[in-house]
Amino acid sequence: GAGVSQSPSNKVTEKGKDVELRCDPISGHTALYWYRQSLGQGLEFLIYFQGNSAPDKSGLPSDRFSAERTGGSVSTLTIQRTQQEDSAVYLCASSRHRGQETQYFGPGTRLLVL
Amino acid sequence: RKEVEQDPGPFNVPEGATVAFNCTYSNSASQSFFWYRQDCRKEPKLLMSVYSSGNEDGRFTAQLNRASQYISLLIRDSKLSDSATYLCVVNGRDTGNQFYFGTGTSLTVIP
Repeated sequence: GAGVSQSPSNKVTEKGKDVELRCDPISGHTALYWYRQSLGQGLEFLIYFQGNSAPDKSGLPSDRFSAERTGGSVSTLTIQRTQQEDSAVYLCASSRHRGQETQYFGPGTRLLVL
Repeated sequence: RKEVEQDPGPFNVPEGATVAFNCTYSNSASQSFFWYRQDCRKEPKLLMSVYSSGNEDGRFTAQLNRASQYISLLIRDSKLSDSATYLCVVNGRDTGNQFYFGTGTSLTVIP
């Protein structure tokens, strides 16, 4: 079946602009995660959605970052007033249930802020 | 202190060699443990889960030591295709929300 998809695959933007990154999880997966991976670094947890529960936003680095998940499926990560340090690969993952299940990752969105 | 720590390597080994990676974690309440593999400019993919009793999948063996809070991955008879970065992943909270990824150990298998 279809895996996790993300769009766009690459995004170049100017400092100060807003960007929206999209994630389509695997159908039927109730858990969705956003991570950020900077060059040569490990994955940094950003936010977690589980069904209709309130999301775990504890990993968001600043109030410029927000995310939504509509209808328990597609998710959008929004970065407002982008900064150069926001440049990274943004990875989305989904799993069948919360917590301890295997996560399946999308191909990521490579964001470059000039 | 980082939640998960790995030796970044790089490990450069000849084909056919056996190589082992270790990973330590700081939260004794961690419940789930995984090894993921990440190829250059690709997304991470699950290699194997790590069970308390240890588990084996072909040439790969994973072990968990709760007392010392580390997990290990052993690769036997290395293949060129094993060249990748191996990420240690630990579930760090009792609620199971958050997963912590190590920065990865780089492996290059040389012909």
